[in-house]
Amino acid sequence: KNEVEQSPQNLTAQEGEFITINCSYSVGISALHWLQQHPGGGIVSLFMLSSGKKKHGRLIATINIQEKHSSLHITASHPRDSAVYICAVPNSGGGADGLTFGKGTHLIIQP
Amino acid sequence: EADIYQTPRYLVIGTGKKITLECSQTMGHDKMYWYQQDPGMELHLIHYSYGVNSTEKGDLSSESTVSRIRTEHFPLTLESARPSHTSQYLCASGQVTEQFFGPGTRLTVL
Repeated sequence: KNEVEQSPQNLTAQEGEFITINCSYSVGISALHWLQQHPGGGIVSLFMLSSGKKKHGRLIATINIQEKHSSLHITASHPRDSAVYICAVPNSGGGADGLTFGKGTHLIIQP
Repeated sequence: EADIYQTPRYLVIGTGKKITLECSQTMGHDKMYWYQQDPGMELHLIHYSYGVNSTEKGDLSSESTVSRIRTEHFPLTLESARPSHTSQYLCASGQVTEQFFGPGTRLTVL
């Protein structure tokens, strides 16, 4: 089973700061997800990437397949970015279908 | 915006009651998933389905059961709710390379 580690667990920053959240996994994968979970609990898929870099607005996700590492960056952070950011990878090793999730990074952006 | 729906969004119920959490999607996806998220913890896969009449157990053992009689519908049932079942239940559909998540059902068992 793939092990997913995220850091930091908690992050508080000031509005406008550049944010970086890291994700490492133990087993090679075909794709990695970054998800956003708001206090109400609903989850939104931000990115799915298998190589290189993707950008959507102020969000940038990168992945290094060889190092089994991905980062999520937020530029010009804003209080509305406050949420839990979760990294997820496909289950592997003959186990169940579906995703394995990291514990999430609780991000708070203060005005 | 993903067309995947869950009802109810919130449910508070007493111990011993039978409950069914509904999940439906209008995207025609064959694969559907149920994930459980205990308070303050990460999500874990509890059930999945490859299509009609297909159901499989996930990584995390669960006392719940699921059925898949129609492609668009994947309900989860607890025959006798207990306080240990208090959790958030998230339904998803699609492939592992692209999953769409429902809004979740937050279940509290008293």
